[in-house]
Amino acid sequence: KAGVTQTPRYLIKTRGQQVTLSCSPISGHRSVSWYQQTPGQGLQFLFEYFSETQRNKGNFPGRFSGRQFSNSRSEMNVSTLELGDSALYLCASSPRTGNSGANVLTFGAGSRLTVL
Amino acid sequence: KNQVEQSPQSLIILEGKNCTLQCNYTVSPFSNLRWYKQDTGRGPVSLTIMTFSENTKSNGRYTATLDADTKQSSLHITASQLSDSASYICVVSVDNAGNMLTFGGGTRLMVKP
Repeated sequence: KAGVTQTPRYLIKTRGQQVTLSCSPISGHRSVSWYQQTPGQGLQFLFEYFSETQRNKGNFPGRFSGRQFSNSRSEMNVSTLELGDSALYLCASSPRTGNSGANVLTFGAGSRLTVL
Repeated sequence: KNQVEQSPQSLIILEGKNCTLQCNYTVSPFSNLRWYKQDTGRGPVSLTIMTFSENTKSNGRYTATLDADTKQSSLHITASQLSDSASYICVVSVDNAGNMLTFGGGTRLMVKP
């Protein structure tokens, strides 16, 4: 059973550019959530998509956006990149069954973004 | 403000020894508490998930406890192995079905031979 696949694994951008990251969830998982991990702030929730709709959103500026396709694959986009956006961006998928405690998240290996 | 605090920040133990990691949270409402293991350069892997009514859960050599009254959790690792070297992250979920998570800063564990 394939895991959560994130592409690209590594990328380097310069300030002001924009970037798009991709996440393919585990087959059958309909929820995809995104997280940012930095040494200073740790892991922080960005947003969650389920059935092509954003269900929850963390406390990040509007430069961070995402979408989900009908096959549950998701992309996140960061526009007008800043140095502080350098981070490991993790995507996780889950079945989102609605039962408390039943939604085990499976994380991908992440996309490491460096902004110069 | 929802917060999850972990201690210690880092820990070094000898192979074969036991250790306990701590997690205190102020997240409300509370749905469930999760412990994750994250190896360097990899995504986190789930170890345990506990709901409000559960006060202990084991996964092999890992045993997590939860005291919902004091809002504290611990992760006990028994007979540590070199492969246990990783960051251990305590995570609290505020909603039942979704994945809005508040993360602790993690404990960096190093197991030495």
